[in-house]
Amino acid sequence: AQKITQTQPGMFVQEKEAVTLDCTYDTSDQSYGLFWYKQPSSGEMIFLIYQGSYDEQNATEGRYSLNFQKARKSANLVISASQLGDSAMYFCAMREVSTNAGKSTFGDGTTLTVKP
Amino acid sequence: EAQVTQNPRYLITVTGKKLTVTCSQNMNHEYMSWYRQDPGLGLRQIYYSMNVEVTDKGDVPEGYKVSRKEKRNFPLILESPSPNQTSLYFCASSLGGTGTRGARQPQHFGDGTRLSIL
Repeated sequence: AQKITQTQPGMFVQEKEAVTLDCTYDTSDQSYGLFWYKQPSSGEMIFLIYQGSYDEQNATEGRYSLNFQKARKSANLVISASQLGDSAMYFCAMREVSTNAGKSTFGDGTTLTVKP
Repeated sequence: EAQVTQNPRYLITVTGKKLTVTCSQNMNHEYMSWYRQDPGLGLRQIYYSMNVEVTDKGDVPEGYKVSRKEKRNFPLILESPSPNQTSLYFCASSLGGTGTRGARQPQHFGDGTRLSIL
């Protein structure tokens, strides 16, 4: 069974600094997709970035990048140059090929607060 | 505008009174899914659908029903709601495809439905 662990319930970062949000996962699949979503206080879920298990390069999307270490089963999200609008809850999620990508598992989330 | 629409956004009801939360997407997505979000527990998958007439259980299906008669709609039915089903519910959709193609698709979420069962 797939499992996502986010060990940081809350994180603080100073505006304009970089921050890393941790995500480790457990799967017996060789092929899977990893995702990060942002949930602001308004409640909607926003897709940020995707990493495939067979992708050789770490994913990047603007200020977001993934530090993907397959052997360690970790996919940490790095946010560079934090902005006040980055304050939100962040979820790591996974879809496995073995379940035909139907099942989707989320971590418990990390609440990020950006300080001015 | 591409979107996933859930209704109602808020609902307060009583134990045992059947209710349906509707979900509709206009992106022609094959895959749809329902989640519940409870404090400290992240999102937990209730049911998902790979395509029309194809549904399967997620991690917490007890007390819920779904149907997928049309590609765009995926209603969530609570036949006899109980207080432990008080939660924030999200519907999501994505492009489909089994295997590797499906596993790389990000999900698009509705704005959520906050249910309170008294």
